Amino acid sequence: SQTIHQWPATLVQPVGSPLSLECTVEGTSNPNLYWYRQAAGRGLQLLFYSVGIGQISSEVPQNLSASRPQDRQFILSSKKLLLSDSGFYLCASSGTGSIYGYTFGSGTRLTVV
Amino acid sequence: EDQVTQSPEALRLQEGESSSLNCSYTVSGLRGLFWYRQDPGKGPEFLFTLYSAGEEKEKERLKATLTKKESFLHITAPKPEDSATYLCAVSNFNKFYFGSGTKLNVKP
Repeated sequence: SQTIHQWPATLVQPVGSPLSLECTVEGTSNPNLYWYRQAAGRGLQLLFYSVGIGQISSEVPQNLSASRPQDRQFILSSKKLLLSDSGFYLCASSGTGSIYGYTFGSGTRLTVV
Repeated sequence: EDQVTQSPEALRLQEGESSSLNCSYTVSGLRGLFWYRQDPGKGPEFLFTLYSAGEEKEKERLKATLTKKESFLHITAPKPEDSATYLCAVSNFNKFYFGSGTKLNVKP
């Protein structure tokens, strides 16, 4: 079974500072990888997904970017954080073909102050 | 437009009071419908996958059913530890669409 390691668990950053959230996957190869953001009391918003190394699709225009330097590593970044970037960020993995459920990481609570 | 709608947004039950959560969807080329449980401050935990209308899955006090337009998550004789947000998602090729969830609170 897949395991997703996501860190840090919580992060408080000042406006204008950079961001790097990392996610690594164990127990599978060539997974589809996803970054989601969840606002308080709201659903999951898909930010980026990747079907392979170096392949990134962005779902919404925003202040964030993603990279996949290795098969089981997915990174969410920002050069300059905005207050509106605050939220709960989740990394997820699924098998190819999307007939399998997601495996989620434990999430990162980001507060931009 | 592909979308998933969950109802109610919040549900308060007494321990032992059975009820159902609804997930209605419109998606082209449904490949699967998924139910997840999410505890506060944690990532969603996978519960069930349903692939075709008429399919049912059970796990302890939970039972998920699927029709061509909606899915129900039935909770029988819930306990306080069943309190959580329950998320529904549908998959279409390489994309998943999530509902906004139902927050369930079971009081002893």
